[in-house]
Amino acid sequence: DAGVIQSPRHEVTEMGQEVTLRCKPISGHNSLFWYRQTMMRGLELLIYFNNNVPIDDSGMPEDRFSAKMPNASFSTLKIQPSEPRDSAVYFCASSPFGAGEQYFGPGTRLTVT
Amino acid sequence: RKEVEQDPGPFNVPEGATVAFNCTYSNSASQSFFWYRQDCRKEPKLLMSVYSSGNEDGRFTAQLNRASQYISLLIRDSKLSDSATYLCALGGGADGLTFGKGTHLIIQP
Repeated sequence: DAGVIQSPRHEVTEMGQEVTLRCKPISGHNSLFWYRQTMMRGLELLIYFNNNVPIDDSGMPEDRFSAKMPNASFSTLKIQPSEPRDSAVYFCASSPFGAGEQYFGPGTRLTVT
Repeated sequence: RKEVEQDPGPFNVPEGATVAFNCTYSNSASQSFFWYRQDCRKEPKLLMSVYSSGNEDGRFTAQLNRASQYISLLIRDSKLSDSATYLCALGGGADGLTFGKGTHLIIQP
């Protein structure tokens, strides 16, 4: 079975540009999570969805960040406009609803210059 | 006090030795506990869940101490391939996980 799929794997963009990260969760998983990892702050939860509905977005750093899940097999995380401090690895994870274990995608390494 | 704290290490351990590290947490209401392993420039991967009664999987043993609010991971007969960063995580269920910053382990030949 395919794991969580993320694209792109690497993204380099200039400050002020819009960035869209994509995620396809494991088929049958009802919960989807977006995390950000930096050396300074570690792995932080940004937002999560249960059955395509956003449940908690309190981890989203600013209004420049937005996330959608239009269906059970696709989610996007958008940053507009991007800033250098947004540079990080962004992970998407999924789990069956109510299960504690989460399965991570390979991540998108974002560099904003 | 930070929500989840781990000694960042690195722990330098000779191959074949036993190594243990802890993770302390501040939220006494936490219900689910996990250990994840993360290799350099890779995603975190679930290593094992931590149950109230403890959990053993081969060379790995995880324990939970609710009274003192920490979980532990013990690795016996360590292998070179055990070199990685070990992240503890709390929460789960229908909610997201809160991660520690990880403990870096280096197994030396």
